[in-house]
Amino acid sequence: TQLLEQSPQFLSIQEGENLTVYCNSSSVFSSLQWYRQEPGEGPVLLVTVVTGGEVKKLKRLTFQFGDARKDSSLHITAAQPGDTGLYLCAGVFRGNTPLVFGKGTRLSVIA
Amino acid sequence: KAGVTQTPRYLIKTRGQQVTLSCSPISGHRSVSWYQQTPGQGLQFLFEYFSETQRNKGNFPGRFSGRQFSNSRSEMNVSTLELGDSALYLCASSWEIYNEQFFGPGTRLTVL
Repeated sequence: TQLLEQSPQFLSIQEGENLTVYCNSSSVFSSLQWYRQEPGEGPVLLVTVVTGGEVKKLKRLTFQFGDARKDSSLHITAAQPGDTGLYLCAGVFRGNTPLVFGKGTRLSVIA
Repeated sequence: KAGVTQTPRYLIKTRGQQVTLSCSPISGHRSVSWYQQTPGQGLQFLFEYFSETQRNKGNFPGRFSGRQFSNSRSEMNVSTLELGDSALYLCASSWEIYNEQFFGPGTRLTVL
């Protein structure tokens, strides 16, 4: 069974701080996606990474895919209360197989 | 373009009953996946349909079933409900199988 481990599980920070959350697996991903889920809503796709070593930026969010395609990180610069939510990573381990989701990092940004 | 819609949004049932949940994907999307989300287990894959065919099924008992219609709308059914079936059931659609998924808001099922 392929597993995705996300850390930390919970993170509470002050507005303006920087943070990094991690997504790790012992298996190689074909591709990896990051989602954010707010209370009462479904997850919303933030980014997809495919190539080892790839870095993608989305405003204050920076996503990195590990060289070996077994891990990924999400870095948020100058966090804002609007960044509050559950951040989920989801990996595809080989073509046409279901996404495997991590349990998520629950982020709370306090004004 | 309208997003993924799920009905109903909230549902309360008692043990032993059955329930049917509905999902309308984004227009043009042919793949619909269903997930169960609980605080303890996170998001777990139930099944995926593509062009009315079930392509993959997760590790759930046979009480969980689904189908997809010719217009890509999908339903999932849970029979003989158990307390542990209480969860948020999410539907997601995509252009092709397991491409980037667009999720609906979910149906919150409570089993008493």
